[in-house]
Amino acid sequence: SQQGEEDPQALSIQEGENATMNCSYKTSINNLQWYRQNSGRGLVHLILIRSNEREKHSGRLRVTLDTSKKSSSLLITASRAADTASYFCAPLTQGGSEKLVFGKGTKLTVNP
Amino acid sequence: DAGVTQSPTHLIKTRGQQVTLRCSPKSGHDTVSWYQQALGQGPQFIFQYYEEEERQRGNFPDRFSGHQFPNYSSELNVNALLLGDSALYLCASSLFRGGRYEQYFGPGTRLTVT
Repeated sequence: SQQGEEDPQALSIQEGENATMNCSYKTSINNLQWYRQNSGRGLVHLILIRSNEREKHSGRLRVTLDTSKKSSSLLITASRAADTASYFCAPLTQGGSEKLVFGKGTKLTVNP
Repeated sequence: DAGVTQSPTHLIKTRGQQVTLRCSPKSGHDTVSWYQQALGQGPQFIFQYYEEEERQRGNFPDRFSGHQFPNYSSELNVNALLLGDSALYLCASSLFRGGRYEQYFGPGTRLTVT
């Protein structure tokens, strides 16, 4: 496992705007996952992108992966107040039940 | 289909005491991982159980121990509590094999050590 580093650490936007957060990692991966955590609660799995994929969509979420730059981005379109949460990326080297190593995350605030 | 459940929700203990936290995995899952999350930080991996054995361990002292039961549920035990053990403890379940890599997290147990 390796730790992903999320950037920015904090992001504040207005409802309806798009939010983009980035994740960088250091060595080659099998897949990369994004999780969301509402304040003081458990993490929710959002999306998984495999190393041979470049882009993936799920509802208002769009994830890109650039393995040459060892980076991923998560775009939330038409944000809502309910999207206010911390977002974490987890790059996995092997897959399977590999342990997840989290950075400090990106704290997103969506103002109504 | 019940998700991951944890008990208790909140717990207050005194330094030096011992605590046991419990986790029931999502139906169909056979692997349980435990994470500690201090305020303002990301979750840190404590250990993982599969087939009633500890398979992976993070950088945590031996005061942290665990157990997995035949029904895949798990316990996290912390002995000789320190103030620094105050945190949100998260349990996550997954399938050890099968190509599904997502981990499903419970709501957590908030431990306060005074």
